[in-house]
Amino acid sequence: DTAVSQTPKYLVTQMGNDKSIKCEQNLGHDTMYWYKQDSKKFLKIMFSYNNKELIINETVPNRFSPKSPDKAHLNLHINSLELGDSAVYFCASSQGSGGDTEAFFGQGTRLTVV
Amino acid sequence: SQQGEEDPQALSIQEGENATMNCSYKTSINNLQWYRQNSGRGLVHLILIRSNEREKHSGRLRVTLDTSKKSSSLLITASRAADTASYFCAPIKTGANNLFFGTGTRLTVIP
Repeated sequence: DTAVSQTPKYLVTQMGNDKSIKCEQNLGHDTMYWYKQDSKKFLKIMFSYNNKELIINETVPNRFSPKSPDKAHLNLHINSLELGDSAVYFCASSQGSGGDTEAFFGQGTRLTVV
Repeated sequence: SQQGEEDPQALSIQEGENATMNCSYKTSINNLQWYRQNSGRGLVHLILIRSNEREKHSGRLRVTLDTSKKSSSLLITASRAADTASYFCAPIKTGANNLFFGTGTRLTVIP
């Protein structure tokens, strides 16, 4: 059983489109995250979501919005896609917040904006 | 900045040799975590060391933490080709909620 699963694995889309990436975790964790990894391998945290509390990295454009229908899901919606949004996006989850326990990562979604 | 800075950026060794990667950070921490990322995959947790610990072992991995120098090191002994990956540290600032990563150390183990 995959602990943290993301779909799709690859996503190619045109500039200006709106797209969503789905994430589900079956670990019973109460905190979920979205990270963006650029071409230089820098991993930047975008959001964390814990018990309906959303913590946003202030550098993330408001075209990005996380949506959590329930504790096991944290989807990422992106409006008006730009070339610079091309990257690999990782979803992760952990039990509790504060970085006190290990985080489990999904396999990533490679987004290419053309 | 809450993220760690890994050094070196890239490391290439022969199979069987030991690999040492370093992580420096700037804030007071609660704990520090190391993760591995294989090419095209997500990060996998390796080890967590708390601020009151100085050394921790897990199989062929040895992690040290020096809070006075704000640094940590990850030693992989008797390296294998399968250890080829990027390694990231995440220093967890006291009171912080998230894991902040840098750009990692890219380790290549040559068979």
